Amino acid sequence: ELVLTQSPGTLSLSPGERATLSCRASQSVSSTFLAWYQQKPGQAPRLLIYGASIRATGIPDRFSGSGSGTDFTLTISRLEPEDFAVYCCQQYPTAFGQGTKLEIK
Amino acid sequence: QVHLVQSGAEVKKPGDSVQVSCKASGYTFTDYYLHWLRQAPGQRLEWMGWINPNSGGTKFAQKFQGRVTMTRDTSISTAYMDLSRLISDDTAVYYCARERVRRTLIVDACDPWGQGTLVTVSS
Repeated sequence: ELVLTQSPGTLSLSPGERATLSCRASQSVSSTFLAWYQQKPGQAPRLLIYGASIRATGIPDRFSGSGSGTDFTLTISRLEPEDFAVYCCQQYPTAFGQGTKLEIK
Repeated sequence: QVHLVQSGAEVKKPGDSVQVSCKASGYTFTDYYLHWLRQAPGQRLEWMGWINPNSGGTKFAQKFQGRVTMTRDTSISTAYMDLSRLISDDTAVYYCARERVRRTLIVDACDPWGQGTLVTVSS
């Protein structure tokens, strides 16, 4: 069974800083099916990245994804106040990471 | 604009069944598969299965086989997820989510998602 492990569990940063979030798979996976979502309390998950590195429609270019095999990264280049949320990765469709909470320092 | 609007929160007793609806708008309902997922408190998202709104065909995660039903009413662009024999561990926010692209292409993510429906199972 594929397991996605995200790190860190919580990331405390200030607006304007750079955020680097990791998603590690227990076995090699296809980049085609690696997606990242943003979750805010009481809101629907929002697709940020699909195909490991392709920004979804309307996603600002401060969000970028990279990686292959078992190691994938979501980078937010300069944090805006609205970026503080929980981020999770998915190997479409069945496996999800446990999430990284990005909080204001 | 594509929207998925789900039914409201439910409180159920152990052993009950629950039905969650998902009304689609802004696109041709029968052109895109819909997935159902859930997230229990403090847990990761969990995929439950999908429905092909055109044919009614379904595929479920093994964990939910025999307990989940997914149906649709194309006349009102609405999908339904029924979960039976509820236990306390079924307490979760349930989501519907549309596949990002039609299955004539490689499907790689879900977008958009419904707002979520909280189902609480408690005696």
